[in-house]
Amino acid sequence: QVHLVQSGAEVKKPGASVKVSCQASGFTFRNYGVTWVRQAPGQGLEWMGWVGGNNGNFNFAQKFQGRVTMTTDTSTNTAYMELTSLKSDDTAVYYCARKVGTNWFDPWGQGTLVTVSS
Amino acid sequence: QSALTQPASVSGSPGQSITISCTGTTSDFGAFNYVSWYQQHPDKAPKLMIYDVHNRPSGVSDRFSGSKSGNTASLTISGLQTEDEADYYCSSYTSISTLVFGTGTKVTVL
Repeated sequence: QVHLVQSGAEVKKPGASVKVSCQASGFTFRNYGVTWVRQAPGQGLEWMGWVGGNNGNFNFAQKFQGRVTMTTDTSTNTAYMELTSLKSDDTAVYYCARKVGTNWFDPWGQGTLVTVSS
Repeated sequence: QSALTQPASVSGSPGQSITISCTGTTSDFGAFNYVSWYQQHPDKAPKLMIYDVHNRPSGVSDRFSGSKSGNTASLTISGLQTEDEADYYCSSYTSISTLVFGTGTKVTVL
């Protein structure tokens, strides 16, 4: 069964960094990419970027350029998303998802709530 | 990259059909047929419902169908059921190899 399990909720202060993990099971991890999407409270989905399962290819939404790093570890079938210089409006649920086709994602992780507050 | 435009809400009675539109620009939809649709119930992760404009993943009801004409994609739910009440998001691959989501549509079953 294809499954993605994310790390637990985080509370961070403004200016800090957060690293969210996403562990995959049930498929050959290196053959797929991973995408990261966030959702602020009461808001819609926002695409952040994607990275190849073998860390070969990646692309980010321009608004996150310079602040986000997305990596994968094929030895543990885990993807990571690190966001730096956190601001209050980075408070959101962060989702990882397996990138199957050019632009479709299935399944999704359960989400990780990141709260940025002083 | 601006979000694709969706109606904020759509409603229908059980058994009826509803259609959700998703409008973008040429650079959003471009020459690609890479439009997907996701269903999200409250406090749950999104679920893929349609990919590549009109394809359904295994396990998704055939009551869900997708189409695209020009710069507008559409998701139709036929035989509306109470469990279809959720938020729906379209997404599209863009001409600069990124992805953009729609603004989201709340479907209410009356």
